[in-house]
Amino acid sequence: SQQGEEDPQALSIQEGENATMNCSYKTSINNLQWYRQNSGRGLVHLILIRSNEREKHSGRLRVTLDTSKKSSSLLITASRAADTASYFCATDRRAGNNRKLIWGLGTSLAVNP
Amino acid sequence: SQTIHQWPATLVQPVGSPLSLECTVEGTSNPNLYWYRQAAGRGLQLLFYSVGIGQISSEVPQNLSASRPQDRQFILSSKKLLLSDSGFYLCAWSPQGAGEKLFFGSGTQLSVL
Repeated sequence: SQQGEEDPQALSIQEGENATMNCSYKTSINNLQWYRQNSGRGLVHLILIRSNEREKHSGRLRVTLDTSKKSSSLLITASRAADTASYFCATDRRAGNNRKLIWGLGTSLAVNP
Repeated sequence: SQTIHQWPATLVQPVGSPLSLECTVEGTSNPNLYWYRQAAGRGLQLLFYSVGIGQISSEVPQNLSASRPQDRQFILSSKKLLLSDSGFYLCAWSPQGAGEKLFFGSGTQLSVL
């Protein structure tokens, strides 16, 4: 079953506004990652946050991780039309010698000019 | 720098026909390799992953198979396609050992008619 669950499923905002997406998971993790996917394209890695980190920044992106609540949020500040894409969280949960990412279903973000 | 190539970009195949999708990685050695499928509006489903030549792990019983004949080549195949095999197929790689963030190809949109 999918461990990561993003909400909202879809988000529509105006250019310049901030966009916040959330991800919840069920079991302990090594790290949590956020990816972006433009329509019909492959996914692009945005940020990785480890289980012992609480916040990470990359340009206009800010990711937080609350392991007590098993949740993460991705904030995109001063959004642009080019930020329109689907955003996925993925949790890295070690299981024996296997290391597989568990994916959420994604948040579809539309930034209107 | 590392690059990943996946082809073709789109493919329309009749039911019962064979399938071969190829993925190659350049600029790195001994990568972990992955095949994912993404149904429309859905998250990613891991189909196969490989930690070395000839080493394939299958995640979901299905009509598909994978092979890794060379270190940086990963092939997804089917002898007879089903309608349910339609979807967006993504190849990805990650560094051996660390196995953290994934680097994705541009994807293949497969339509089985």
